Amino acid sequence: AQSVTQPDIHITVSEGASLELRCNYSYGATPYLFWYVQSPGQGLQLLLKYFSGDTLVQGIKGFEAEFKRSQSSFNLRKPSVHWSDAAEYFCAVATRATGKSTFGDGTTLTVKP
Amino acid sequence: DGGITQSPKYLFRKEGQNVTLSCEQNLNHDAMYWYRQDPGQGLRLIYYSQIVNDFQKGDIAEGYSVSREKKESFPLTVTSAQKNPTAFYLCASSGENQPQHFGDGTRLSIL
Repeated sequence: AQSVTQPDIHITVSEGASLELRCNYSYGATPYLFWYVQSPGQGLQLLLKYFSGDTLVQGIKGFEAEFKRSQSSFNLRKPSVHWSDAAEYFCAVATRATGKSTFGDGTTLTVKP
Repeated sequence: DGGITQSPKYLFRKEGQNVTLSCEQNLNHDAMYWYRQDPGQGLRLIYYSQIVNDFQKGDIAEGYSVSREKKESFPLTVTSAQKNPTAFYLCASSGENQPQHFGDGTRLSIL
């Protein structure tokens, strides 16, 4: 069965600082991988996705993520965080056969002024 | 604009009452999903449907029921058998080999 672990429940960074959110997955084959962002009381918005090809993927709002097969990781990065990035971030893995996704428990990002 | 519409945004349930959450999409997606979100627990899959007139149980289907009579619609009924229904419910849809698109959610509370 597939699973996703986001080791950091809560991260605080200063505005303008760099950010890395960690995601580790367990899946028997090459997965589909996603990062979503959720503001309070809202649905999830897709930041970026990895299906195949280049292991460094670019997303919206200046985010990027790198797929590392050897480490079963798909960490999310941003070089300079803005106050509006404060939100909850979810990593997800999906099966290629069904498209059914499994989500991590999320990481809450707080941005200090 | 295409998207997913969930209604109502807030819903209250009395003891012993069934309530139905609406989810409509105009993205022409075949697959639709229902998730439950509790604080600190991420998203848990309740039911999903990959095609009209067919659906499968997810990880926490007990106390819930769904139907998929039309491609655009995937309503979720929270039955009286669900003893702890207070949560944020999210509906999503996806095309083949595509990421899921989410609605804005319905928050269900017990009176």
